[in-house]
Amino acid sequence: DAKTTQPPSMDCAEGRAANLPCNHSTISGNEYVYWYRQIHSQGPQYIIHGLKNNETNEMASLIITEDRKSSTLILPHATLRDTAVYYCIVRVAVTGANNLFFGTGTRLTVIP
Amino acid sequence: GAVVSQHPSRVICKSGTSVKIECRSLDFQATTMFWYRQFPKQSLMLMATSNEGSKATYEQGVEKDKFLINHASLTLSTLTVTSAHPEDSSFYICSARDRLTGPQHFGDGTRLSIL
Repeated sequence: DAKTTQPPSMDCAEGRAANLPCNHSTISGNEYVYWYRQIHSQGPQYIIHGLKNNETNEMASLIITEDRKSSTLILPHATLRDTAVYYCIVRVAVTGANNLFFGTGTRLTVIP
Repeated sequence: GAVVSQHPSRVICKSGTSVKIECRSLDFQATTMFWYRQFPKQSLMLMATSNEGSKATYEQGVEKDKFLINHASLTLSTLTVTSAHPEDSSFYICSARDRLTGPQHFGDGTRLSIL
């Protein structure tokens, strides 16, 4: 699996957009970019995933660069409840028995 | 949406006892489930892949005789920590993939404390 690089921590003011970057320069053509987050003492929560097009759902937007070597997760209006560790994971295929490798992630702190 | 339920959420027991953790997929069938372990201030580490109707696949360094996995149906996998010791205290998390939607969904974890 391609390796991902994320900043260890970020702060964001409540109500502002939180932009979380991820570098995956060795990504292969058949690898998807997944984003999960983990709030303290809970299991990881799926946020969004994409292959090469930008994606948006009720939680966030995912912007993938044209060369697919990096991506940005955008939380449009961060709230205090968005404080969590955010993991960017690159993995082949959407279906199948593939596990996910969790790196160290980015600890996002939303500040009142 | 897809939901994975894990039970119990917290267990405190004496050293030497065995503890069973259940992982259920509530509204989808999962031929494969995954078991992770997370120590304080660390990331999730995959322990094993649970396959319905067959033996689990363990990651290097994980003792299969200590961490027994049973995946008897398409909606239930269990992890039994046998003869638990204080060093087994950790946060255990399961996940499963809905064959139709793709992304893995995680349970809320089980915090195991061995005294």
